[in-house]
Amino acid sequence: DQQVKQNSPSLSVQEGRISILNCDYTNSMFDYFLWYKKYPAEGPTFLISISSIKDKNEDGRFTVFLNKSAKHLSLHIVPSQPGDSAVYFCAASGDYGQNFVFGPGTRLSVLP
Amino acid sequence: EPEVTQTPSHQVTQMGQEVILRCVPISNHLYFYWYRQILGQKVEFLVSFYNNEISEKSEIFDDQFSVERPDGSNFTLKIRSTKLEDSAMYFCASSVGDGYTFGSGTRLTVV
Repeated sequence: DQQVKQNSPSLSVQEGRISILNCDYTNSMFDYFLWYKKYPAEGPTFLISISSIKDKNEDGRFTVFLNKSAKHLSLHIVPSQPGDSAVYFCAASGDYGQNFVFGPGTRLSVLP
Repeated sequence: EPEVTQTPSHQVTQMGQEVILRCVPISNHLYFYWYRQILGQKVEFLVSFYNNEISEKSEIFDDQFSVERPDGSNFTLKIRSTKLEDSAMYFCASSVGDGYTFGSGTRLTVV
């Protein structure tokens, strides 16, 4: 039973354009969400988080949107850069920051 | 920037052998975790550790697994009798609040 889903295994975007990575979850008890980026041979790197009391959080080029009624969140990267090419994991927690459930990841390729 | 350090980066072991994966979390962090990622699959939670005891563990973390914080700086994952399906990247992470800091992982290959 996949509690956190990232239905697009891969995404290609032109440099300078917007990248939109999507994540859906099934557990209504999840109240805290994070996005991680992972390069090959490295551990995941924390990017941005959002709690269920907000519907948007922005940090530089990265914005996360949360739609609680749809149990959906998305990560927007604007403008996309070739260095953004990585696997992006969505993660969710039901105890405000402990013990996350990760999605399967989406591989983003930003083409120059 | 503080780092979570994992050693070794790659471990090859024979099926049935015991392995210990080592991690040095960030010094002021209080929560410690092990995750694994089987090749081509998603990152899976194994166990969380706080105040010198396991706070939560997943179904994957069965009796062949154990964790220890032997000396206040290291955080180890022991697999007692490895199986072929234990081959994966094992990530240690530590946390003090917002998000985890992950180590770069240990690739365990069981042959």
